[in-house]
Amino acid sequence: QITLKESGLTLVKPTQTLTLTCTFSGFSLSTSEVGVGWIRQPPGKALEWLALIYWDDDERYSPSLNNRLTITKDTSKNQVVLTLTNMDPVDTATYYCAHRGIQGDYFDYWGPGTLVTVSS
Amino acid sequence: DIQMTQSPSSVSASIGDRVTITCRASQSISSYVSWYQQIPGKAPKLLIYAASNLQSGVPSRFSGSGSGTDFTLTISGLQPEDFGNYYCQQSYSRVTFGQGTRLEIK
Repeated sequence: QITLKESGLTLVKPTQTLTLTCTFSGFSLSTSEVGVGWIRQPPGKALEWLALIYWDDDERYSPSLNNRLTITKDTSKNQVVLTLTNMDPVDTATYYCAHRGIQGDYFDYWGPGTLVTVSS
Repeated sequence: DIQMTQSPSSVSASIGDRVTITCRASQSISSYVSWYQQIPGKAPKLLIYAASNLQSGVPSRFSGSGSGTDFTLTISGLQPEDFGNYYCQQSYSRVTFGQGTRLEIK
């Protein structure tokens, strides 16, 4: 079955760079139509899409965060890495990675999420 | 950017009720809409994709409809486990989520 799990530092200081790893099983990012996305949710607020990477190395980013985000994949390790530069307290949120549905850019399997706090 | 506006922002309903949540896109997005349920403290769960396709394992009391700019999620026969927050999402141009609808059980 498909599983995903997020990992990385849970406390970062303002201006630092956040690096999160999504480790998954049950699928391969070298298979056609497969993708992995990142979504975040500030405490008590709505979901916000961040980035998506596809089996063919195509990358898509949220326009509002595009200049701060990078998404990469390591197919051999079954991992996807998200980096977010110049962290600010407003970036405090639970960060989720999720499997892209085969028929489109929706998310059918999600990791449990990891809460990242930005504070000095 | 395509904006997704959900209504209502919150709703309270009784067990057995029919509940409807709507989502309006800022431009036409064909049928590129999905719906999610999120129980507080948990990851979102996919309910509907491509506007009206029921995700495997999701109870048939959930249904979706719409195309273009107006979309609806309907829960027919509300159950206690249906409380939580509901989000629509468009994937016509990149990805955008709605602001959410909180569903409370009376």
